[in-house]
Amino acid sequence: DGGITQSPKYLFRKEGQNVTLSCEQNLNHDAMYWYRQDPGQGLRLIYYSQIVNDFQKGDIAEGYSVSREKKESFPLTVTSAQKNPTAFYLCASSSGRPMSTEAFFGQGTRLTVV
Amino acid sequence: ELKVEQNPLFLSMQEGKNYTIYCNYSTTSDRLYWYRQDPGKSLESLFVLLSNGAVKQEGRLMASLDTKARLSTLHITAAVHDLSATYFCAVDILVRYALNFGKGTSLLVTP
Repeated sequence: DGGITQSPKYLFRKEGQNVTLSCEQNLNHDAMYWYRQDPGQGLRLIYYSQIVNDFQKGDIAEGYSVSREKKESFPLTVTSAQKNPTAFYLCASSSGRPMSTEAFFGQGTRLTVV
Repeated sequence: ELKVEQNPLFLSMQEGKNYTIYCNYSTTSDRLYWYRQDPGKSLESLFVLLSNGAVKQEGRLMASLDTKARLSTLHITAAVHDLSATYFCAVDILVRYALNFGKGTSLLVTP
């Protein structure tokens, strides 16, 4: 079945650690995105990529990094510079402009700092 | 700066009643999306609105888009408990190829 797979579903991070969230899609989509969701908040854009080997910062990129070495993969690293990383992280993909920007989402990773 | 504002943010309604959720956005856009999120879950696409005057319906939900007014509405007809969820609108603007989300409307349908 086509879709977007995020792993792990739950992740615990100690203070000062870097952690990497995985996102893989088999929809043959060009564009991929990372959003952060805090309780009672909408989704805020962290990074996005329209094509392999290229990505742009979103609204809250500080303390995060990404790579896009393969079309199907867009991992997100939460670095120790991110002071408040506890949140629900959602990865999405779309065909991209000019075709479609309708985003399809993975099941999310819930990150908690311990 | 693009702003996407939804109202109300919280809505409690009785089964069988009708209500409308509003989504206003601050800059030109030709594409607007509605999503549903159940507690602890991811987002599910509901409607894709691609032109001025577009109207889409699915069951008890109907979405419309007025690009001139920069307004989309999600109308709920004869609400049932299964519609309880958080509903997000998301706007696509040309200067950035990514969706910009409102804060969501948390809907609770009670007997």
